[in-house]
Amino acid sequence: DAKTTQPTSMDCAEGRAANLPCNHSTISGNEYVYWYRQIHSQGPQYIIHGLKNNETNEMASLIITKDRKSSTLILPHATLRDTAVYYCIVVQTGANSKLTFGKGITLSVRP
Amino acid sequence: GAVVSQHPSRVICKSGTSVKIECRSLDFQATTMFWYRQFPKQSLMLMATSNEGSKATYEQGVEKDKFLINHASLTLSTLTVTSAHPEDSSFYICSARGGQIATNEKLFFGSGTQLSVL
Repeated sequence: DAKTTQPTSMDCAEGRAANLPCNHSTISGNEYVYWYRQIHSQGPQYIIHGLKNNETNEMASLIITKDRKSSTLILPHATLRDTAVYYCIVVQTGANSKLTFGKGITLSVRP
Repeated sequence: GAVVSQHPSRVICKSGTSVKIECRSLDFQATTMFWYRQFPKQSLMLMATSNEGSKATYEQGVEKDKFLINHASLTLSTLTVTSAHPEDSSFYICSARGGQIATNEKLFFGSGTQLSVL
């Protein structure tokens, strides 16, 4: 699987949008971009995933560049409960696909 | 969304004993389950992949005789840490999927088990 690069940490004010970047410059055509988050001492939670097009759900939006070499996860109105480690993962299609976690980015939402 | 139940959430055991952790998919059939380990302030490390009815596939460096994985049904996988030692103390997390990840199938995670070996 292609590797991803994320900043170590960032913070944002409560109520503002949080934009979390991810670089995946070696992504190949059949690899999806997945985002998960992990709140302290809990299992990871699925947020969103995409292949080429931008995606939006009730939790977040995912913006993927046209060349697919990078993406941004957007939390439109961050709350204190969004404080977590966010993982950007590139996953290859196939029956043997598996999620390999990097270090992720620690998002701290401040009051 | 789909629910994966992991039990126990926390266990403390003496060195040399064995500990079993259960992972259940509550509302879907999990053809594949994954076991991860996470040390404090580190990321999740994949230990092994198990497919129902077949032997687990272990990642490099993970001792298969120490971490026994059984996936006997489509809704249950167990991880047994045999002869546990203090260095096995960690946060163990299971996950399950019903099909291929990179379609519309998502990977669902249990809430994790904190193992402390005295």
